[in-house]
Amino acid sequence: GAVVSQHPSRVICKSGTSVKIECRSLDFQATTMFWYRQFPKQSLMLMATSNEGSKATYEQGVEKDKFLINHASLTLSTLTVTSAHPEDSSFYICSARDSPSSYNEQFFGPGTRLTVL
Amino acid sequence: AQSVAQPEDQVNVAEGNPLTVKCTYSVSGNPYLFWYVQYPNRGLQFLLKYITGDNLVKGSYGFEAEFNKSQTSFHLKKPSALVSDSALYFCAVRDYGQNFVFGPGTRLSVLP
Repeated sequence: GAVVSQHPSRVICKSGTSVKIECRSLDFQATTMFWYRQFPKQSLMLMATSNEGSKATYEQGVEKDKFLINHASLTLSTLTVTSAHPEDSSFYICSARDSPSSYNEQFFGPGTRLTVL
Repeated sequence: AQSVAQPEDQVNVAEGNPLTVKCTYSVSGNPYLFWYVQYPNRGLQFLLKYITGDNLVKGSYGFEAEFNKSQTSFHLKKPSALVSDSALYFCAVRDYGQNFVFGPGTRLSVLP
């Protein structure tokens, strides 16, 4: 099956710094990539949807200037958490779709655990 | 608007017994339904999906799910649970052209 990787798997940073998380589709071209946030014992909340070469579409309540998304190629999307604060600590998961078809499942990365001190 | 409910936060079952994880949904059009499993500190793994056709869908690791349109349900089942099935299970729905909406998740514990 299709594989999505994320890097890093775990990151600890100081408050006020910026952190970049990479999401790669390893064996397919991802027309669309998604970024989710998951708090402990909670479900995934969609943060934004990105299509290669265009601006990301953010969900209501998600600050686009704080969570910068770049989808520079069909295999790579990055999420940068700018000026991170402890409340940004969470599990961030990306997913990718190889087709705009709604029939297709999304393929999920293994997640990145961000801890902001 | 789409929504997904998983009425049980936690399901406990003895190893070897059948298991059911419940899911109900609400969409405006034809539903595309999915089940995913998440192990600790891992991303989601696809189990199965219903798009159209036979209401009983078979998926990975011996799991299956039954689509019931009249009850708007898509319960996940397995005839004989394994301890290794212990994980967090998410039901998701997508209306055509829309994004996934995930349920709150159900934690399955299979006791040896």
